[in-house]
Amino acid sequence: AQSVTQPDIHITVSEGASLELRCNYSYGATPYLFWYVQSPGQGLQLLLKYFSGDTLVQGIKGFEAEFKRSQSSFNLRKPSVHWSDAAEYFCAVGSAGVSGGGADGLTFGKGTHLIIQP
Amino acid sequence: DAGVTQSPTHLIKTRGQQVTLRCSPKSGHDTVSWYQQALGQGPQFIFQYYEEEERQRGNFPDRFSGHQFPNYSSELNVNALLLGDSALYLCASSLLGGPIGELFFGEGSRLTVL
Repeated sequence: AQSVTQPDIHITVSEGASLELRCNYSYGATPYLFWYVQSPGQGLQLLLKYFSGDTLVQGIKGFEAEFKRSQSSFNLRKPSVHWSDAAEYFCAVGSAGVSGGGADGLTFGKGTHLIIQP
Repeated sequence: DAGVTQSPTHLIKTRGQQVTLRCSPKSGHDTVSWYQQALGQGPQFIFQYYEEEERQRGNFPDRFSGHQFPNYSSELNVNALLLGDSALYLCASSLLGGPIGELFFGEGSRLTVL
């Protein structure tokens, strides 16, 4: 069965500092990996995704993530955080689906709560 | 362009009751997925609907059922509510055959079971 582990429940970072959020996955085949962000009162928003090709993927809002098959990891990074980045971040794993597209049921981690210090 | 809309935003029920939650997908999307997010947890996949049929299901009991209408909107029904069903219920829409993993989520319906 597929699973996602986000080891850090909370992370506090000073504004302007760099950020790395950890994600480890367990999946039998080649995984499709995602990072979503959930801000208070808002729905989850897709930051970036990986399913093939270059192991370093760029996303929205200045985020990037690196897929490391040997470590079963897909860590999210940002060089300089802004106060507006404070939110809950979820890593997720899934498959392409029977049709080869779309989005079958994703397995999410428990999330990392990011706190930004002024 | 309207995104995913869900109703109601909040509701309170008592144990044993039944609840219906509603979702309208993003314009142009044909697939609706439902997730349950308990407090402090990540979303858990309940099921997915496409062409008015349940296409995939997560590890949830039969008390959880759904429906998709010809206009692609969807309902989630939960019967015989338990205290443990208290959660934020998220609807996500996508396009079958579209960009992989591009789910668009609504803000959710927060259900409290007393």
